[in-house]
Amino acid sequence: AQSVTQPDIHITVSEGASLELRCNYSYGATPYLFWYVQSPGQGLQLLLKYFSGDTLVQGIKGFEAEFKRSQSSFNLRKPSVHWSDAAEYFCAVGGQAGTALIFGKGTTLSVSS
Amino acid sequence: GAGVSQTPSNKVTEKGKYVELRCDPISGHTALYWYRQSLGQGPEFLIYFQGTGAADDSGLPNDRFFAVRPEGSVSTLKIQRTERGDSAVYLCASSSGTGLYNEQFFGPGTRLTVL
Repeated sequence: AQSVTQPDIHITVSEGASLELRCNYSYGATPYLFWYVQSPGQGLQLLLKYFSGDTLVQGIKGFEAEFKRSQSSFNLRKPSVHWSDAAEYFCAVGGQAGTALIFGKGTTLSVSS
Repeated sequence: GAGVSQTPSNKVTEKGKYVELRCDPISGHTALYWYRQSLGQGPEFLIYFQGTGAADDSGLPNDRFFAVRPEGSVSTLKIQRTERGDSAVYLCASSSGTGLYNEQFFGPGTRLTVL
């Protein structure tokens, strides 16, 4: 079955510290992978995506993610977290012939000062 | 450059009532998606339109749920005989073309509460 697992429900990081949010997927075909951020009262915003090629992808707001096929993972990283990064983060997967995204349950990021 | 808009932002209704949720996509976007996000969950796909037709409605949970997009722009999600389990945030997204290669832009959602 196609699915996305985000093992961490809630993470707290100190401002200025590095961040890694985990994502594991199960997908029968070549996956398209995405990370979205959702702030309160805001729509989901795309941070970055992976379709093919270089397995390290850069996104907006200083985020990056690395696709590891052998581990079925697509972890999101940021070297230095800002207080404005506090939000909910969703990993999603889809297929080349597909239209619908399959989302994980999300990870809530809190940033402490 | 308006984004995707959804109305109302909040809707409270009673069990058994009928509700309509509206989505205005980004102008010119041909693809439109509806998702449902329950508390503590990620968005769950409901239905996808390409133009006026529903290209994939495999995510609709049952026949109480129906969506239309008569002129290929605005879409309405209709829920009949609402149940408490229908309480969720309903998200709409639009994209400029078919397939996941085209970014889906999401609206802020409509929070539906069924009492």
